[in-house]
Amino acid sequence: TQLLEQSPQFLSIQEGENLTVYCNSSSVFSSLQWYRQEPGEGPVLLVTVVTGGEVKKLKRLTFQFGDARKDSSLHITAAQPGDTGLYLCAGESDYKLSFGAGTTVTVRA
Amino acid sequence: EAGVTQSPTHLIKTRGQQATLRCSPISGHTSVYWYQQALGLGLQFLLWYDEGEERNRGNFPPRFSGRQFPNYSSELNVNALELEDSALYLCASSYGTSGGETQYFGPGTRLLVL
Repeated sequence: TQLLEQSPQFLSIQEGENLTVYCNSSSVFSSLQWYRQEPGEGPVLLVTVVTGGEVKKLKRLTFQFGDARKDSSLHITAAQPGDTGLYLCAGESDYKLSFGAGTTVTVRA
Repeated sequence: EAGVTQSPTHLIKTRGQQATLRCSPISGHTSVYWYQQALGLGLQFLLWYDEGEERNRGNFPPRFSGRQFPNYSSELNVNALELEDSALYLCASSYGTSGGETQYFGPGTRLLVL
C-alpha cells in the first residue's frame, strides 16, 4: 500500500493543453517534494513545499500544498513535449521520503 | 560539480546469487539513501547511511544490507536474490541530516534476476 496516492496514473494530452496531477495521503508531512524522472535517469527535484496552503510557481508549473499538509497538486499550463516524463511526489517525515507511484505524462506534439 | 554516480548501470544475476551495487555521493554530501523502484510500485525506501552508520531502514528483509565507507561512498548488497528483486535501484545523497535536506539522485542500477 502506497503512503501517497497519485492520480491519474497515466495522462496523455496535446501540446498546449493544461494538466493537473494530484498527490493525496492520510498522513501529515513535514514537507512535500515533486520530482520528474525521465527514462534511464534518476528523479530530479522540481520543488519542495513546506507550509500548509503554500503555492509555488516554476515557469509554467504551479505546485500547491494542502492546508493540512496531507496533499498536493501539480498544474502545468500550456504543456509542451519537453514536459513528458514520470512525475513523482514524495512526503518527508522522520528524515525519510515516501514516494507515490508516479504519474506518467505524455505531451503529444 | 559531479553528480551522484552509480555502478554498474545494469546487472544480471540468477536466483540465489548475491548482487553488489555501488554509489558515490556528490562531493561534500555525508548522507546516502538507497531506494528500490519496481515497475508500477514507485520508489520504496531501503536504507539511509550517514557518517558511516545506518540511520534508518525501510520494510525490507535482512538480506538487503549495505554499508558506507569513510569517503562516504556506499554499497548495497542483496543476498539470496529472488525474482521479485528485479528493479531499478536508486541511490541519492544529501548534505547533512537536519531534515528536509534535498536528495540528489543518481541514474540507478537496473538489476535483473533470472
